[in-house]
Amino acid sequence: DQQVKQNSPSLSVQEGRISILNCDYTNSMFDYFLWYKKYPAEGPTFLISISSIKDKNEDGRFTVFLNKSAKHLSLHIVPSQPGDSAVYFCAASAQTGANNLFFGTGTRLTVIP
Amino acid sequence: ETGVTQSPTHLIKTRGQQVTLRCSSQSGHNTVSWYQQALGQGPQFIFQYYREEENGRGNFPPRFSGLQFPNYSSELNVNALELDDSALYLCASRPSRGHTGELFFGEGSRLTVL
Repeated sequence: DQQVKQNSPSLSVQEGRISILNCDYTNSMFDYFLWYKKYPAEGPTFLISISSIKDKNEDGRFTVFLNKSAKHLSLHIVPSQPGDSAVYFCAASAQTGANNLFFGTGTRLTVIP
Repeated sequence: ETGVTQSPTHLIKTRGQQVTLRCSSQSGHNTVSWYQQALGQGPQFIFQYYREEENGRGNFPPRFSGLQFPNYSSELNVNALELDDSALYLCASRPSRGHTGELFFGEGSRLTVL
């Protein structure tokens, strides 16, 4: 029962162009969403987050968009850089219980120089 | 400020054995959680500890157990290992139980069960 889904296992983008990573969720109780980035042999590192009361959050080159009615969020990276090449995980949580994160299966982004 | 550290980084066990994985939380963080990441999957929540007590658990059997110590370090114990337990085990910490926000992950312990 995958409550957070990332349907694209991989994405290749030219350096300088925009990268768009997508994520869908099924649980309407989720009210906080995060993106994590993972390099090989390292743990996931937090990138950006958004609360369900917002529809956009921006941090430098990274912007996350949330469409609650569609249960969809996306991460935009512009301009993409070779150092952005990593696996990106979408995660969601609800303000109940342990407040644990539900992760998607990840999208491997490759930025081509 | 030290980050989350885990040990060992890699280990190999055989089916039926028991394993203990260790984690030191980031300084000042009193909540620790453990996640299992199987190959090609995202991390899955195992359980969370706050002030030395388990306060949340995912869909994992009782042979997965844990401890949190007064210094907020933590252990994950898995008994009667099965082949499907082969995975990367990630420890994560955050400042307080109720804090919604980023988790700080360690590099993980990669367990192979033969």
